[in-house]
Amino acid sequence: AQSVTQPDIHITVSEGASLELRCNYSYGATPYLFWYVQSPGQGLQLLLKYFSGDTLVQGIKGFEAEFKRSQSSFNLRKPSVHWSDAAEYFCAVWILTGGGNKLTFGTGTQLKVEL
Amino acid sequence: KAGVTQTPRYLIKTRGQQVTLSCSPISGHRSVSWYQQTPGQGLQFLFEYFSETQRNKGNFPGRFSGRQFSNSRSEMNVSTLELGDSALYLCASSLYLGQGGNTIYFGEGSWLTVV
Repeated sequence: AQSVTQPDIHITVSEGASLELRCNYSYGATPYLFWYVQSPGQGLQLLLKYFSGDTLVQGIKGFEAEFKRSQSSFNLRKPSVHWSDAAEYFCAVWILTGGGNKLTFGTGTQLKVEL
Repeated sequence: KAGVTQTPRYLIKTRGQQVTLSCSPISGHRSVSWYQQTPGQGLQFLFEYFSETQRNKGNFPGRFSGRQFSNSRSEMNVSTLELGDSALYLCASSLYLGQGGNTIYFGEGSWLTVV
């Protein structure tokens, strides 16, 4: 069955430090992958997506992610974290089921930024 | 271009009551899906509508239902509310149905508290 694993429930980094959030997926077909961010009390904002082509994708707010098929991973990175990046981050894989769109989400990684 | 709009943002209901939540997708988007987010279960897919037809359904009891109108706006209804229905309900919209490479955008959500 398809699944998404985000191994790190909480991560704390200092402002200005680099960041990598891990995401592993299990899906038999070509994966379509997303990263979303959720600030407290808010909905989900799309950071970036991977559909095909270049395995390094750029997103908003200076984030990027690299798709590695051999490792079934889609890790999110940022070279220098800002205090405003503190939020919860969700990795998701798009599933084709019943002819519809369905996202299967990981459990999320809560990012704390120390000043 | 307006994003996904959900109303109401916050509501409190009593056990046994029913509730209706509304979602207006991004202009031109015809697919609307609903997700429930709780601390214990994370983000779970409820159902998806396209062209006024339910195309996909998650593992929720029949108390959860929805519909889509000809203008693509969607409503979801929960009858006989239980305490465990307290959650953030997120609506998502996308252009296409069942097509890879279909970007999915979320609204700010409706916070439901059942007392």
